[in-house]
Amino acid sequence: AQTVTQSQPEMSVQEAETVTLSCTYDTSESDYYLFWYKQPPSRQMILVIRQEAYKQQNATENRFSVNFQKAAKSFSLKISDSQLGDAAMYFCAYRSPPSDKLIFGTGTRLQVFP
Amino acid sequence: DTEVTQTPKHLVMGMTNKKSLKCEQHMGHRAMYWYKQKAKKPPELMFVYSYEKLSINESVPSRFSPECPNSSLLNLHLHALQPEDSALYLCASSQETTLPGTDTQYFGPGTRLTVL
Repeated sequence: AQTVTQSQPEMSVQEAETVTLSCTYDTSESDYYLFWYKQPPSRQMILVIRQEAYKQQNATENRFSVNFQKAAKSFSLKISDSQLGDAAMYFCAYRSPPSDKLIFGTGTRLQVFP
Repeated sequence: DTEVTQTPKHLVMGMTNKKSLKCEQHMGHRAMYWYKQKAKKPPELMFVYSYEKLSINESVPSRFSPECPNSSLLNLHLHALQPEDSALYLCASSQETTLPGTDTQYFGPGTRLTVL
């Protein structure tokens, strides 16, 4: 069975600094998709970034980028130039076709200090 | 536009009440999902509708009854709930019109349910 592990329950960063959130996963599939979702206190789950396993290039969305290490089954999220609005719970998630299921990690709560 | 809407935002109900949660999307997505999320936990999948047919039921108690009247609308009917059912209920949708299992799920803002 596939599993997703986020080993950091909480992280903190100062405004304008860079922080990296860790995620590892376990799967025997070769085709899969990885996601980072952000859930602020307003509670809406917002897609941050998506990575296709078949792509070697790391996905990037503005200040958010991933370090995808397929052999190590690692999928970390780097947030550059952190802003107060980045404070949220971040969930790493995995999906493998043809399954409808999205498998979540336990989440990392990020605090951003001015 | 990747908007999924949910109503109501908040719901308080007694254990004998019957209520419904509503979810809507107009992105042409063909799969819709209900999740339950307890505080400080990840979402737990409850139901999946694919092309308006129930494709996954994660052994959810019968006091939760999903309904998909059309491809844009998803309801969750609630009856005789227990206090432990109090949670955030999230709806999501994904395209699923090309290769199943490859598309991103987009979430609504959720309904905060309190059962007294």
